[in-house]
Amino acid sequence: SAVISQKPSRDICQRGTSLTIQCQVDSQVTMMFWYRQQPGQSLTLIATANQGSEATYESGFVIDKFPISRPNLTFSTLTVSNMSPEDSSIYLCSVETSGKGPYEQYFGPGTRLTVT
Amino acid sequence: AQSVTQLDSQVPVFEEAPVELRCNYSSSVSVYLFWYVQYPNQGLQLLLKYLSGSTLVKGINGFEAEFNKSQTSFHLRKPSVHISDTAEYFCAVSEAGSYQLTFGKGTKLSVIP
Repeated sequence: SAVISQKPSRDICQRGTSLTIQCQVDSQVTMMFWYRQQPGQSLTLIATANQGSEATYESGFVIDKFPISRPNLTFSTLTVSNMSPEDSSIYLCSVETSGKGPYEQYFGPGTRLTVT
Repeated sequence: AQSVTQLDSQVPVFEEAPVELRCNYSSSVSVYLFWYVQYPNQGLQLLLKYLSGSTLVKGINGFEAEFNKSQTSFHLRKPSVHISDTAEYFCAVSEAGSYQLTFGKGTKLSVIP
């Protein structure tokens, strides 16, 4: 398993602004993931962030809106750009610790974002 | 592609009563199955997982789940619930060889004193 922290834990932002969410892991991991959980909904994968390569985005998510950095094996950031109220969600990062199948993901506590 | 169906969006149950949260999946290949729990205002915590071997899997907090390949199900059970079990429970599946998790829509368990 892994201990994962996220900053900030919550924020209230105005539309048109951007917020960068940080994800820190207590051990080196190859795979990190970013999810969105809209109110009352399940988790949707935004992108996969592997160190040393560009993030891979899922259908419906684009780099201009959700730029991701992965500078090392313990840290990643997700930026939510040009925010609108529809971006109000919980954003979670997760990590895969085994490095090989079967893959198991462990989640951070999430960042609760409200856009006004 | 795989999909996950959690048949009940909300399950109210009295304290100390048994509970079953249902999960069905569809996939054309071998799968790994997971249950996660999300307590209010918290992230997801891995409750239990089925990777291979015994179809009855035991997890934390007294929960267990049974993998039924013929019925493509992975129902979660607890013989006696506590108030502290009030949370949302998510079933998730990944296909063998893939790191991608697909989640169900979640089941909100409310334990009534």
